Amino acid sequence: GENVEQHPSTLSVQEGDSAVIKCTYSDSASNYFPWYKQELGKRPQLIIDIRSNVGEKKDQRIAVTLNKTAKHFSLHITETQPEDSAVYFCAASIRDYQLIWGAGTKLIIKP
Amino acid sequence: DAGVIQSPRHEVTEMGQEVTLRCKPISGHDYLFWYRQTMMRGLELLIYFNNNVPIDDSGMPEDRFSAKMPNASFSTLKIQPSEPRDSAVYFCASSSLRWTSGPYNEQFFGPGTRLTVL
Repeated sequence: GENVEQHPSTLSVQEGDSAVIKCTYSDSASNYFPWYKQELGKRPQLIIDIRSNVGEKKDQRIAVTLNKTAKHFSLHITETQPEDSAVYFCAASIRDYQLIWGAGTKLIIKP
Repeated sequence: DAGVIQSPRHEVTEMGQEVTLRCKPISGHDYLFWYRQTMMRGLELLIYFNNNVPIDDSGMPEDRFSAKMPNASFSTLKIQPSEPRDSAVYFCASSSLRWTSGPYNEQFFGPGTRLTVL
């Protein structure tokens, strides 16, 4: 069946450094790839997404890249700050516009 | 718009009791999703509706779980009887299909209901 694999499960980086989270999807028909951020005790919220017709999208310190041939996409956060500490989920669209979710990455920003 | 509204925000109950979780989606959204989140299993899709009709309930754990959507502005998730292993955060999310260089479906989450079954 369809699945999304997300790595790493935990990522610890020094404040100011960059963080990269990677996801691989299985459904070649997937065409929408959102990233959600979930702070402790809060709801998941969309931070950036990418459509299958582009290879990269950037919004200030965050960017997402997509490689459709290899079926993987990545989230890049530059100049990390304490408020970036959270769990990040990737997802990929499947039939009937559902989303299938990665297992999440806990990002820890060390001061 | 107030966003997706869920109630109650916290629920503590005893094993065997019936639990009903409620959700009001964003006005105009035609998809509604129920998720369960635990540390062990992550974010699991339980069921989703399109235009008030259940489309896929393959994620519902067992017959103790049921969900309804009687109209476009209200949905319930019921657990009867509840068990300690049902303890989790339950999220409701809604969405509306958008078209920009093809269709896509951004989901908006409610604040969640933290359920504890003793």
